[in-house]
Amino acid sequence: EDKVVQSPLSLVVHEGDTVTLNCSYEVTNFRSLLWYKQEKKAPTFLFMLTSSGIEKKSGRLSSILDKKELFSILNITATQTGDSAVYLCAVGGGSNYKLTFGKGTLLTVNP
Amino acid sequence: ETGVTQSPTHLIKTRGQQVTLRCSSQSGHNTVSWYQQALGQGPQFIFQYYREEENGRGNFPPRFSGLQFPNYSSELNVNALELDDSALYLCASSPDRVLRETQYFGPGTRLLVL
Repeated sequence: EDKVVQSPLSLVVHEGDTVTLNCSYEVTNFRSLLWYKQEKKAPTFLFMLTSSGIEKKSGRLSSILDKKELFSILNITATQTGDSAVYLCAVGGGSNYKLTFGKGTLLTVNP
Repeated sequence: ETGVTQSPTHLIKTRGQQVTLRCSSQSGHNTVSWYQQALGQGPQFIFQYYREEENGRGNFPPRFSGLQFPNYSSELNVNALELDDSALYLCASSPDRVLRETQYFGPGTRLLVL
């Protein structure tokens, strides 16, 4: 059975801090790993990673994938209160295009 | 370009009833996936539709069924509702075959079963 494990499950930081969120996975026929941000309802797409070692960046957010060790990290630098959300990691694989999600990391950024 | 929309936003039902949730995919997207998200959990895959046909199903019983229409909008039907069906139901659409894992989510329907 496909499995995605995120850590930590929750994290409280102060504005300006840098955070690293972790995602490890076991999935048959891995194709991609995706990160989403969920504030209230709709998960918002952040990154899709398919190749090892290539960092994807968007502003203060960056992510990298290690296909040998089966994990990914999401870094957020200079955190702001608007970064407070649940960050979901999902992996795509198998014969259809379903995503298997982790439980998420609840990030709280205090002013 | 409009994003993924879902209706209704909230719904309250009682055990044993039936419910239909609706989703309009983003313009140009031909694949729709449905997920159930219980409180404090990540979304769980229910099923996916590609060009009006079911293209994979998760570990959900047959009382969860769906449809996709020629305009790629979709419905999720749940029969004989149980208390554990209370959750946020998310619909996601994908642009094309190659990028089908890049799924864009709607705001969800929050279902409460009493």
